[in-house]
Formats: sequence, C-alpha cells, structure tokens
Amino acid sequence: QSVLTQPPSASGTPGQRVTISCAGRTSNIGTNYVAWYQQFPGTAPKLLIHRDTQRPSGIPDRFSGSKSGTSASLAISGLRSEDEADYYCATWDDSLIGPVFGGGTKLTVL
Amino acid sequence: EVQLVESGGGLLQPGGSLRLSCATSGFTFDNYAMAWVRQAPGKGLEWVSVISGPGITTYYADSVKGRFTISRDNPKNTLYLDMNSLKVEDTAIYYCAKESWGVPAAHLDSWGQGSLVTVSS
Repeated sequence: QSVLTQPPSASGTPGQRVTISCAGRTSNIGTNYVAWYQQFPGTAPKLLIHRDTQRPSGIPDRFSGSKSGTSASLAISGLRSEDEADYYCATWDDSLIGPVFGGGTKLTVL
Repeated sequence: EVQLVESGGGLLQPGGSLRLSCATSGFTFDNYAMAWVRQAPGKGLEWVSVISGPGITTYYADSVKGRFTISRDNPKNTLYLDMNSLKVEDTAIYYCAKESWGVPAAHLDSWGQGSLVTVSS
C-alpha cells in the first residue's frame, strides 16, 4: 500500500478536464514539494510537474498542478487521446526520511 | 542533452548478485542527487535508493535495505547499484534517474531507458 493515495483509474472524453488526486500526510505533501510523472506503456516515466505547480520546459500548459494542505492534484484540460497514460505523484517524506510515490492512476480517454 | 544509459541487467537465480551501472552525460554529475527506481511487471513505480550529489547521503527502501548498495563514481559520471541476496520479488525494470537538485527530493527530471532484472529459479 502506497504512502500517497491516488485513485487507480480516471477517465474522460476528448476536450474534457480531468483531475487526479494525491492524498498524503503532513510529513510528506504537507511539508515538501510534489512532483507528477507521466508514463506510457513500455517507456520510462517523464517529469510532468515539479515544485507542486511548475511545468518543465516542453510540457503543455494543459497540464497543471496544485496543492492544498496534505493533498495535491494534477489537472489535464482539453483532454486528448495521447494523454492516455499512467500518472504518478511523488514527494519526500520527512518521517520515513525517503521519497514516496503514489500508487499511480491509469487515465483512459474514452 | 542529458543522457542516462543503464547496463548490467539480466537473469539471475534467487540468492544471486548483480551490479547495475548508469553512465551519464550532458550535465555536471556531482551537482545532482541520483536515484534508482524500479517497476515490477504490471505494477507501479517504487523507489529503490537515492544518493546525494557528493555521495554522502543515501536512502534505501525497506524492501532492499541491507541487500542493495548505491554508489557513485563522480569522476566517471557513473551511478551504480550493487544488488545481493536477490529475491524473486526483486524482478523489475530498474530505472536510473537524475534528481533536479543536489539533495534527494523526489523530483526526477531525467530517466534512463531501464534495465530488466529477472530473478527466477
């Protein structure tokens, strides 16, 4: 069972806005920056969001991150078929003294 | 361009040992923490180990503590993972990844292609 809790699946139709949640604790999300990763089958993950809300260069502004208290969210607006992938949240945990991942959310574009 | 290239994966029997290497280029290696992350077949991502830029601070997942050792050779721009007493449940793709900062923070901005380790009798 992952320290960070994500819904196992999410879905939406093209053009819709979808949100993926990531629930944690004071010792992790409540204290440290959150990152989000996108992973397509058979490929390495890619950093999508860092420092809670920042997009690395090359990441479309359709992807946005937010954080409130001990929870974080990834929002994808203007959903496209190519957004169908697995999404993971991650952060550092001060109690575990180590990094933690969420269990991952499989996004399906209907 | 940042490049991370893993090598050393393979098929091992339970109890065996293996060294993974990650050759890097395109950035000042000793300025950044580095990590190993694994993914078992059909499963999610799991942190294995992280090491700070100077190599002084390390972190290990409980599942590998005492069996795996992370190290780095900064002059050679190479990251290593020594894996001992391998178990069937260690079977996974092992990714080498670069942290965004010199200290571990779970912000991996570059990843290798992955190296498959299979532990089976």
